[in-house]
Order: sequence, then C-alpha cells, then structure tokens
Amino acid sequence: DARVTQTPRHKVTEMGQEVTMRCQPILGHNTVFWYRQTMMQGLELLAYFRNRAPLDDSGMPKDRFSAEMPDATLATLKIQPSEPRDSAVYFCASGRTSGGLADTQYFGPGTRLTVL
Amino acid sequence: GQQLNQSPQSMFIQEGEDVSMNCTSSSIFNTWLWYKQDPGEGPVLLIALYKAGELTSNGRLTAQFGITRKDSFLNISASIPSDVGIYFCAGRVAGANSKLTFGKGITLSVRP
Repeated sequence: DARVTQTPRHKVTEMGQEVTMRCQPILGHNTVFWYRQTMMQGLELLAYFRNRAPLDDSGMPKDRFSAEMPDATLATLKIQPSEPRDSAVYFCASGRTSGGLADTQYFGPGTRLTVL
Repeated sequence: GQQLNQSPQSMFIQEGEDVSMNCTSSSIFNTWLWYKQDPGEGPVLLIALYKAGELTSNGRLTAQFGITRKDSFLNISASIPSDVGIYFCAGRVAGANSKLTFGKGITLSVRP
C-alpha cells in the first residue's frame, strides 16, 4: 500500500529558527505538491514540482520559504526564519502526470508546525 | 483565480440518514475531485470525475460532475459514524500545468 510519507509529524520551534520538513512521494509519481492548511485559509498550494523541476511557487512567501527536490524520492520545504504566523499543518502530495492528463494527488499525513 | 464554494461549513445528521453536499465554482472545470480528511490525517481521495455529466460511485458514496461543469455533488447514503470528517471538493481547469483549487470543506458530524 504505497503512501506519501512526511517527517516530522509534529514540530514545535521558536520564532526565528529554521524549520525543514521532508516528504517522500509515492514511488513512480512525478509531481509533488506542498500545501499549507489553516482554519482561516483552508488548503493553500505553496509550490509544486514535476519531474523534480519547480513549476510554480507563486503561493510561497519567497523571502523565507524555499522548496527543493534533491532527488526523486525526497522533497523538502524550508522556512528560515520561522514566524508565529507560519503555524499550520503542511501537507505534501504526490501524483503522476503523463501526456498532459490531469494527475490525481495523494496526500501525506502532514507536519503540524507550531512556532512560538 | 478560480474559487470553489462549499456550504454550509458544518452539517449534522443522524446515523442512517443520507446526506448531499455540493460544490460550485466561478469557472468551468475539467476535473472534479472529492476528498475526505480525518482528524490528524491528510485528505484522502474519494472520487475523481473527468467528464461533464459523469456519475461515479464508491461504495455508499456517489458523486456527479455537473452538466454546466461549474458544479459537482457528493452524496453519502446510509451514513455511519466513521463518515465523520471534513469533505473537500477540488477542481482543475484545462491545461497540463493547471493547479487544483480546493473548497474550504464541509465538516460532517454523524449522531449515533
């Protein structure tokens, strides 16, 4: 039963600290998405990659957030420096796209981030 | 940008009842997806719809892609306590690189 995995599941940190969240997409999936979920805003797309190349990161605050895919099995989302307003659940999702057809996204369990 | 509307925010039903949720958009979508999120977990895909008018079932769940392509419906029949959760609709416009837009979700409570 293939699943997207995310680490850590929970992270509590102090304002100003760097936070790194990791995601392992489902083997064979070529698209990876990072979402942020809050009560007020719901699910917001931060960035997404296809075949490890960043396609869109317009939803991400560029000054403090960065997303990368060092290889096909690892995606990272970093926040530096973190701020209390970054507190949220961060989800990674993966999917497979071929021939221009829409991919279906499968979500990981999320990282719950609390910035004090 | 595209927006998806789901209302009401919360629904309360009795176990055994049927429930219907709808999702409307300001744009025409080529794909509609319905997800369910349990507490502390990520959204799980329930049903995917790719064609206007399409009606698809998954157990007690049935979803339809509206003819206008601006709406979709999810029906749950004979609800059970484990149906509790947040139900999200999501849609995508045409284009290989287009993004999924999510609704704000409907929180469903089922009274035993």
